[in-house]
Amino acid sequence: GAGVSQSPSNKVTEKGKDVELRCDPISGHTALYWYRQRLGQGLEFLIYFQGNSAPDKSGLPSDRFSAERTGESVSTLTIQRTQQEDSAVYLCASSAPRTSGSRKQYFGPGTRLTVL
Amino acid sequence: SQQGEEDPQALSIQEGENATMNCSYKTSINNLQWYRQNSGRGLVHLILIRSNEREKHSGRLRVTLDTSKKSSSLLITASRAADTASYFCATEGGSGNTGKLIFGQGTTLQVKP
Repeated sequence: GAGVSQSPSNKVTEKGKDVELRCDPISGHTALYWYRQRLGQGLEFLIYFQGNSAPDKSGLPSDRFSAERTGESVSTLTIQRTQQEDSAVYLCASSAPRTSGSRKQYFGPGTRLTVL
Repeated sequence: SQQGEEDPQALSIQEGENATMNCSYKTSINNLQWYRQNSGRGLVHLILIRSNEREKHSGRLRVTLDTSKKSSSLLITASRAADTASYFCATEGGSGNTGKLIFGQGTTLQVKP
């Protein structure tokens, strides 16, 4: 089946504008994760959705960042009033239910965000 | 904050040689995973080692885990030019079993043909 997809693949915006990034996880995957990766750096955890549980938002860097997920499908990451330091690749990943025994995450290709 | 520290940051070897990358972490873990990233985009899962395991193999990959030293190593044997990529370790925490992964800063591997 299809893997994790993200859109857009590239986004250029002006400082102060809002942006929405979309992630379509693998069908049947109950967990969904957002990460940020600055140039030449490792991945920085942002937020984690698991089924109907309250999301783990502990990685969101500021209140300008928010994310939603509709059931066990699409998620959107919204960044309000973008700043230049928000420029990064935003990666989404999904994983199978815990009952499957698999702990590995499947990553999308990412959205490269550039804030001018 | 990033839990993992990896070394070296960059590694350049000739095709056919072995490549070893190391990862250290700070807190207790359920498991440690290694991922590969090509061209700064999506990551691909390589191998997972649980906290009660010491060594694991998958094809040309060998992973070791020393929980007393909070460290892991990834060995790629008989490297190929196609192995050129960035490699990241990631730990899943020991409490709550949340599934959240904390990534290291990565090692950039270049394999010269």
